[in-house]
Amino acid sequence: QQQVKQSPQSLIVQKGGISIINCAYENTAFDYFPWYQQFPGKGPALLIAIRPDVSEKKEGRFTISFNKSAKQFSLHIMDSQPGDSATYFCAASAGTDKLIFGTGTRLQVFP
Amino acid sequence: GAVVSQHPSRVICKSGTSVKIECRSLDFQATTMFWYRQFPKQSLMLMATSNEGSKATYEQGVEKDKFLINHASLTLSTLTVTSAHPEDSSFYICSAKRGSGQPQHFGDGTRLSIL
Repeated sequence: QQQVKQSPQSLIVQKGGISIINCAYENTAFDYFPWYQQFPGKGPALLIAIRPDVSEKKEGRFTISFNKSAKQFSLHIMDSQPGDSATYFCAASAGTDKLIFGTGTRLQVFP
Repeated sequence: GAVVSQHPSRVICKSGTSVKIECRSLDFQATTMFWYRQFPKQSLMLMATSNEGSKATYEQGVEKDKFLINHASLTLSTLTVTSAHPEDSSFYICSAKRGSGQPQHFGDGTRLSIL
């Protein structure tokens, strides 16, 4: 019940296209859903986060869509660029601030 | 703001030695710090949570006597891998947060290689 399932495992997108990564959870106590971006040999960097009181949050080219009833949330990267090529992790936490990470999605954006 | 520095970035040492990794919050006071382990092409696995001035809380399956965590101040936490062996080789990452409800900010990790 503590798992966060993430898909796809890998994603190849053409420059300018939309990258979509999906996550699903079971624990209804989760109340914080961040997305992290990680480049090889570096630590994860917080991209964007959402709480369940809103269904969508947008920051620049990055948008989180949240479906509370389906217990799913997704990251959309608009106008994907080669510099966006990285591994993306969704995560969730429930009050204790301990993050449960998804399995990660390796995104490759080709020019 | 919210910069977390981790040192060293890479360490190679012989089997049986102990290795200390430092995690510092440079521009904020961190009430809580976390230590993660990440194997190649895998997700982050939480090892332990530490609050300043108190004992760390270890996740199930993590040996507390092998992975010693000290959180002596609001800006510094250390992880010591004692009597390291090749199977301890991994990427260790720390994170820090200002307080409850605040996001975790990650360091750039330490690549530990035990020969």
